[in-house]
Order: sequence, then structure tokens, then C-alpha cells
Amino acid sequence: IAGITQAPTSQILAAGRRMTLRCTQDMRHNAMYWYRQDLGLGLRLIHYSNTAGTTGKGEVPDGYSVSRANTDDFPLTLASAVPSQTSVYFCASGPEGGGYNEQFFGPGTRLTVL
Amino acid sequence: GQNIDQPTEMTATEGAIVQINCTYQTSGFNGLFWYQQHAGEAPTFLSYNVLDGLEEKGRFSSFLSRSKGYSYLLLKELQMKDSASYLCAVRDRDYKLSFGAGTTVTVRA
Repeated sequence: IAGITQAPTSQILAAGRRMTLRCTQDMRHNAMYWYRQDLGLGLRLIHYSNTAGTTGKGEVPDGYSVSRANTDDFPLTLASAVPSQTSVYFCASGPEGGGYNEQFFGPGTRLTVL
Repeated sequence: GQNIDQPTEMTATEGAIVQINCTYQTSGFNGLFWYQQHAGEAPTFLSYNVLDGLEEKGRFSSFLSRSKGYSYLLLKELQMKDSASYLCAVRDRDYKLSFGAGTTVTVRA
């Protein structure tokens, strides 16, 4: 593994189904993030984790949950998918803290909820 | 919270210069980032400003004025591969990023 990976690449899901998007990084970054990207709205933060064992809510957390059992993995779960959750989901990671610490993004998961 | 505005689209000719403006209103400023995103791909980091002034990295430069809540990204000697979306993002005191909607730049031959 090099950098940050996401799975699946794309998924079509029936409304009401449960879905977990996976994210793994091998850069030993403390902080990880989940964003959704919708046309005209840009990237919006769903949930974040500053370090293993802690999570926080972002701008649009409703309908999503996360866990951070270890440093490398940060799965995002949709408990009961709805069509408004159709989006491209990006996972990102970065060193915790300020300064010249940019976030690195995974390749994204394109999710369609019908 | 953050309120970040940038133009939706810009078009320029190969070899020219384009300036993408970004204005923001923030409850706690802790740095401004520019990312590039090609269609269907992930955003990639371009530049970072936390103090006022110009940061130059090759063909790309970024400027920040904290008192005006204003930044711009300057792309010089445009190439076809520069056709992409450019995202302005402001970091808050909790180190979270808020993104603008992005500016799609189209470079024409």
C-alpha cells in the first residue's frame, strides 16, 4: 500500500441498505477525514478523527457514522442509505496540527443510491 | 464557521496567465490552502499560506491578505494539463479544512 486507499471504487446501492466505505492509509498520519463532493457545493466534511480512538462531527454528519480503532483505518458507514447520499466520497489523512501540514486525499468512492 | 467564495469557471489560452480569486469569512483563521483537482481524480496539494504575502512555487504562486480575507492563485505559462478545478480551503483553529466550491479552469490551444 502506498499512501491512502479507498474501497470500493464505485457502488450502486438500493435505498435502505447499509454500506461501509473503507479507507486505509500507510503514512502513519494521526488525523483522518471523510468528505463528500457534490457538484456546485465543493468538498464538505462529514466526520473526522484527530487520533486513533477519537472522532468528531463535521459539517454534514447526519446519516453517517465512523470509527477509528487504529491509526491506519477509518471506515465510514451509512446505516440506511438514502438517495441524497449519492455523491463522491473522499477520505483524507494528514499530520495532526498546524503549519505546512496538508491533507492527502484518497482516490474517492463514487456512490449511487437508488 | 467559514464562508468561502471563488468564481465558478475561467477560461484562458495556452501560455497565458490566469488569476483565481478566493474570499473568505472565518471565525478562526489558521492557514489557507490551494488544491488542484483533475476531473475524476482526487484533490492534490498546490500551496499553503498563513502569513500575508506571496508564495511562489514554479509556475504557481499564491497570495494572502488576512486583513481583507482574500487570496489568489496565479497560474503562469498555462499548459493544457492545467485544465482542472482549483479549490480554495481555509483551515480553522481545530485544524479542519473548509473548502470553496472550486473554480474550473479551461485552457484553450
